[in-house]
Amino acid sequence: GAVVSQHPSRVICKSGTSVKIECRSLDFQATTMFWYRQFPKKSLMLMATSNEGSKATYEQGVEKDKFLINHASLTLSTLTVTSAHPEDSSFYICSAANRAREETQYFGPGTRLLVL
Amino acid sequence: GIQVEQSPPDLILQEGANSTLRCNFSDSVNNLQWFHQNPWGQLINLFYIPSGTKQNGRLSATTVATERYSLLYISSSQTTDSGVYFCADGYYNTDKLIFGTGTRLQVFP
Repeated sequence: GAVVSQHPSRVICKSGTSVKIECRSLDFQATTMFWYRQFPKKSLMLMATSNEGSKATYEQGVEKDKFLINHASLTLSTLTVTSAHPEDSSFYICSAANRAREETQYFGPGTRLLVL
Repeated sequence: GIQVEQSPPDLILQEGANSTLRCNFSDSVNNLQWFHQNPWGQLINLFYIPSGTKQNGRLSATTVATERYSLLYISSSQTTDSGVYFCADGYYNTDKLIFGTGTRLQVFP
């Protein structure tokens, strides 16, 4: 299957700082990438959808100025949590898809963010 | 919007046992998929199954789209099967996935 990586795997930061998370499709071109958030023992919640070369589409209730998403190439998308606060602490997961090839999404290993 | 309910929420098995996990949808099925999230958080694709039946080793899945449900069968469970199983379906004509509530499976030796 297709491989998606995320970096970093875990990060601890102070309140008020910004954190960037990278999502890469290693062996295929991702026309679409998705960012999810998962709280402990809960399901995945879609935050936003990004298509290469265009602005991300955010789900209702997700602050686009807080969670900046960039999808500059067919293999890389980044999520920047700006001015992080403790309530932003969570497990962030990206996925990538190539709709021309198949319907399914492939998921990265996730990034655990802890804001102190 | 679409709601996806999974049952049971928790399942504890002894190694070698069989189990059936269920996924119910509030609306019509579009791009139903099953995933396994291992204890480290990685989601692994199991099946893309908008209808019909598929099998892969000890796992099989059946989707009855007309009745808006899907089943995941795990036979001869192993400790490595532990984790959370999610089903997910897509919105009409979009790429978005809505995830179910999950079934947390623990398999003991």
